[in-house]
Amino acid sequence: DGGITQSPKYLFRKEGQNVTLSCEQNLNHDAMYWYRQDPGQGLRLIYYSQIVNDFQKGDIAEGYSVSREKKESFPLTVTSAQKNPTAFYLCATSSGSYEQYFGPGTRLTVT
Amino acid sequence: GENVEQHPSTLSVQEGDSAVIKCTYSDSASNYFPWYKQELGKRPQLIIDIRSNVGEKKDQRIAVTLNKTAKHFSLHITETQPEDSAVYFCAALVGSSASKIIFGSGTRLSIRP
Repeated sequence: DGGITQSPKYLFRKEGQNVTLSCEQNLNHDAMYWYRQDPGQGLRLIYYSQIVNDFQKGDIAEGYSVSREKKESFPLTVTSAQKNPTAFYLCATSSGSYEQYFGPGTRLTVT
Repeated sequence: GENVEQHPSTLSVQEGDSAVIKCTYSDSASNYFPWYKQELGKRPQLIIDIRSNVGEKKDQRIAVTLNKTAKHFSLHITETQPEDSAVYFCAALVGSSASKIIFGSGTRLSIRP
């Protein structure tokens, strides 16, 4: 768990602004994931990447964008097109065993 | 589409009693089913998982059962303790290349003293 960092822990933005959430890992895991957590709705997959320079949309990709230029980094941009961006965002990684290791999360508040 | 349903959404049991959480999945090709525990203010952590080549797996007070024919799996916690209070998520590995994990909506388990 200590090998995945997300910063900042809390983030505040005004409506209409794009914001980028960082996720860095030193576990040498190939796959990385972004989830959104809302009360009562569990973890919903936004984007995932199994290898550098490649990524796929999850179930709720609209209004979000990602990049995977380095194995260690998988930043998520929340764009102004996302209608309800206020949420808790979790980054995760996995190796060939499928177990997912989660970062500490970023709580984004957009007003 | 790919879906994992989880019940109940909340569960309250007396300390020492057992708790059972049930999940169903839609992708018949799924072959890996993990369970995660998320304590208040913390990140989810894997507590147990099961693969489709077995029907049951136990780890001390926790057990998971899998019925592939019916496409459902369950988490059983026996002799519950206060530290078992948390939100529990079931999940299933899905996708054409078994590339992503889909989570259930979670169960908030409360242990009454």
